[in-house]
Amino acid sequence: ETGVTQTPRHLVMGMTNKKSLKCEQHLGHNAMYWYKQSAKKPLELMFVYSLEERVENNSVPSRFSPECPNSSHLFLHLHTLQPEDSALYLCASSQKGAGYGYTFGSGTRLTVV
Amino acid sequence: GQQVMQIPQYQHVQEGEDFTTYCNSSTTLSNIQWYKQRPGGHPVFLIQLVKSGEVKKQKRLTFQFGEAKKNSSLHITATQTTDVGTYFCASSGSARQLTFGSGTQLTVLP
Repeated sequence: ETGVTQTPRHLVMGMTNKKSLKCEQHLGHNAMYWYKQSAKKPLELMFVYSLEERVENNSVPSRFSPECPNSSHLFLHLHTLQPEDSALYLCASSQKGAGYGYTFGSGTRLTVV
Repeated sequence: GQQVMQIPQYQHVQEGEDFTTYCNSSTTLSNIQWYKQRPGGHPVFLIQLVKSGEVKKQKRLTFQFGEAKKNSSLHITATQTTDVGTYFCASSGSARQLTFGSGTQLTVLP
């Protein structure tokens, strides 16, 4: 266990479905992130929640919607996804200013059919 | 984040050989972090370098940050099969958002 728990580990969904990915961190960190990892592409930052402030990558489609109810929990709400959204979605947390790096969860492998 | 380019994309080595991956930027980096991702796994933080010319070692791994803070390298001495995985460099800018390089996928042949 890394201290960052993601559920579910695997998800298959149709293009008309709505689903949510969940992330929980037990490290007392003050920032959480969603990254997308596709085959043959670098890790792409999607959203940042830092000290209750949200920063997002403007290239992320609106069919992805984050929610951060508190500093320990992060959600990624999915709706009307496309097959090209199939990827590994990684949650990470960090303590801003500490310089200890990001702690990643095990990820959710998403397949859109 | 700050853009970082990583080479090579793939590297196959015989067990016992050395391995090096390089990370380059056209701009000065405030810091550089290195991560390892095993096949089927998630990135795991290895180290952070912040000072010009800094060199850090972790057993068989040696990490360097260039004098101009525009490049970095990770060198593994006498590779083992447990070193298999993808090694990523990453850097954060003033916004403290981490941008990752494309990674070097290392295969170690027994």
